[in-house]
Amino acid sequence: AQKITQTQPGMFVQEKEAVTLDCTYDTSDPSYGLFWYKQPSSGEMIFLIYQGSYDQQNATEGRYSLNFQKARKSANLVISASQLGDSAMYFCAMGLTGGGNKLTFGTGTQLKVEL
Amino acid sequence: EAGVAQSPRYKIIEKRQSVAFWCNPISGHATLYWYQQILGQGPKLLIQFQNNGVVDDSQLPKDRFSAERLKGVDSTLKIQPAKLEDSAVYLCASSRAGGPYNEQFFGPGTRLTVL
Repeated sequence: AQKITQTQPGMFVQEKEAVTLDCTYDTSDPSYGLFWYKQPSSGEMIFLIYQGSYDQQNATEGRYSLNFQKARKSANLVISASQLGDSAMYFCAMGLTGGGNKLTFGTGTQLKVEL
Repeated sequence: EAGVAQSPRYKIIEKRQSVAFWCNPISGHATLYWYQQILGQGPKLLIQFQNNGVVDDSQLPKDRFSAERLKGVDSTLKIQPAKLEDSAVYLCASSRAGGPYNEQFFGPGTRLTVL
């Protein structure tokens, strides 16, 4: 069975600084996808970025980048130039390619951006 | 395009009562998911539909939870009878069918409180 671990319950970052949110995963399946979602206080889950297990390059989407280290089974999210609107809960998730796209989520990291 | 719609947004019931949640996925999305998100945890998949067929319901407490997706579009999730531990946010998501990666789009969720 697959598992996602997020060890940082809460993080603080100064506005305009970069921040890294940690995520490690465990699966014996060689084909999988890693996702990051943002959940503001309003409750909806917003897709941020995706990394496939066979992708050679780290994924980037605007201010978001995914630091994928396959040997270490880590998929950390890097947010550059933090903004006040980035304050939210962030979830790392994994889906198995052959698993019908079913996602397994971590417990999340609460990010607070300060002035 | 319109996003995933859910109703109601909030529901408060007494234990042992029944409740139903409704979800309308993004037009053209064949796959629909229901997740349960307990406070302080990541979402957990309850059931996944592909068109109007069930793909995965391994984590659905079938003695009290039921779900259907008639005509492969809208879906209803029911709890009967509710227990205190069912208090959570119920998230509906949808994605296109096929391919190794399909981004899931989430609705705003229904926050259920069982007293």
